[in-house]
Amino acid sequence: EVRLLESGGGLVQPGGSLRLSCAVSGFTFSNYGMSWVRQAPGRGLEWVSTISGSGGNTYYADSVKGRFTTSRDNSRNRLFVQMSSLRAEDTAIYYCATDSGGSSSAWGQGSLVTVSS
Amino acid sequence: DIQMTQSPSTLSASVGDRVTVTCRASQSVSIWLAWYQLKPGKAPKLLISKASSVESGVPSRFSGSGSGTEFTLTISSLQPDDFATYYCQQYDSYPRTFGQGTKVEIK
Repeated sequence: EVRLLESGGGLVQPGGSLRLSCAVSGFTFSNYGMSWVRQAPGRGLEWVSTISGSGGNTYYADSVKGRFTTSRDNSRNRLFVQMSSLRAEDTAIYYCATDSGGSSSAWGQGSLVTVSS
Repeated sequence: DIQMTQSPSTLSASVGDRVTVTCRASQSVSIWLAWYQLKPGKAPKLLISKASSVESGVPSRFSGSGSGTEFTLTISSLQPDDFATYYCQQYDSYPRTFGQGTKVEIK
């Protein structure tokens, strides 16, 4: 069974940093690109970042470029996003998802990040 | 960036109705379009990829069509479990972009 489980969310002050993790099982992790997608309160889905299976290529939304860094550890079946210089508008549920040719067939349950003083 | 525009934003329908959601891209995305279903408190669910390829396990009442800049998601006979918000997403190029969503409500 394919499983993705995010962790690391919580409350952080504006300007602060946070690292989210996504632990995966049930498939060959290194064969898949992985994405982060978020949903702010009352808003729609927003693509955040995608990383290739090898980790050699990363892509970011303009809204997070230069502040977020996505990485992966294929030996531990884990995906990460390091978020810095956080803003109130980064408040959202963050989902990790598989990326198979661009569409995402498996998703985690999400991790809530709240940026507030 | 490619802009994705869905219509309508909200749709009120009854069980058994045929429902159609439209998604338009600001430039061609070929067939590289997916449809997702989102319910409160649940992870998004992929319904359709490559514009018209229905995912395994998705009920046959869901179908997708289109290419280029205009796409549709159709639910042939709306069921109680289908009341949710639906999003299209293009993956022809980065940044990947979602439509703003279409909420399907009970009439």
